[in-house]
Amino acid sequence: SQQGEEDPQALSIQEGENATMNCSYKTSINNLQWYRQNSGRGLVHLILIRSNEREKHSGRLRVTLDTSKKSSSLLITASRAADTASYFCATDASNRGGSEKLVFGKGTKLTVNP
Amino acid sequence: NAGVMQNPRHLVRRRGQEARLRCSPVKGHSHVYWYRQLPEEGLKFMVYLQKENIIDESGMPKERFSAEFPKEGPSILRIQQVVRGDSAAYFCASSPPSRGYTEAFFGQGTRLTVV
Repeated sequence: SQQGEEDPQALSIQEGENATMNCSYKTSINNLQWYRQNSGRGLVHLILIRSNEREKHSGRLRVTLDTSKKSSSLLITASRAADTASYFCATDASNRGGSEKLVFGKGTKLTVNP
Repeated sequence: NAGVMQNPRHLVRRRGQEARLRCSPVKGHSHVYWYRQLPEEGLKFMVYLQKENIIDESGMPKERFSAEFPKEGPSILRIQQVVRGDSAAYFCASSPPSRGYTEAFFGQGTRLTVV
């Protein structure tokens, strides 16, 4: 069954603005990961947050995780046109840990207008 | 991640033909995963393999699809007697053998078009 659900489905902003994408999931997880996919390309790993972490930063990216609400958010600050892509959250519910059998949401399509 | 190599990048097959998709994992990685992505959708898990073993094939269609990861050589996803509904992007990912919270590295995908 679908695990991660991103929201919104599409987001259009101006360069320099911040972009916030949300992800909700259904079952207990070991970790949650965010990936970026440029049109017609493969996935690029952005950040992994463990179930015992609440917030993580990487450059202009900030990820939060609320396990009580089963939700995560990805914030991209000071967006650039090059950030235009689809963003997916993926959960790993494997009881063996690691990234086996990631379950992806449908993604948020972000457009950053110059 | 450029370390996972998939080929071909694009594959066109007529209905009824066979499609063979290849994936070479990052050097040293012993875990391989295959995912399928339909247009405007997220990735759906198909199968998880380790060298010479299928660990989890719960996402594989029961018929026409098979996967292998031999001791030597790339992992192969094989689709027999392709139908139009098999048209999708197929992604391979690999991860190292150590357990723990590790990311999976994805290839660029093979885009299969069935005509």
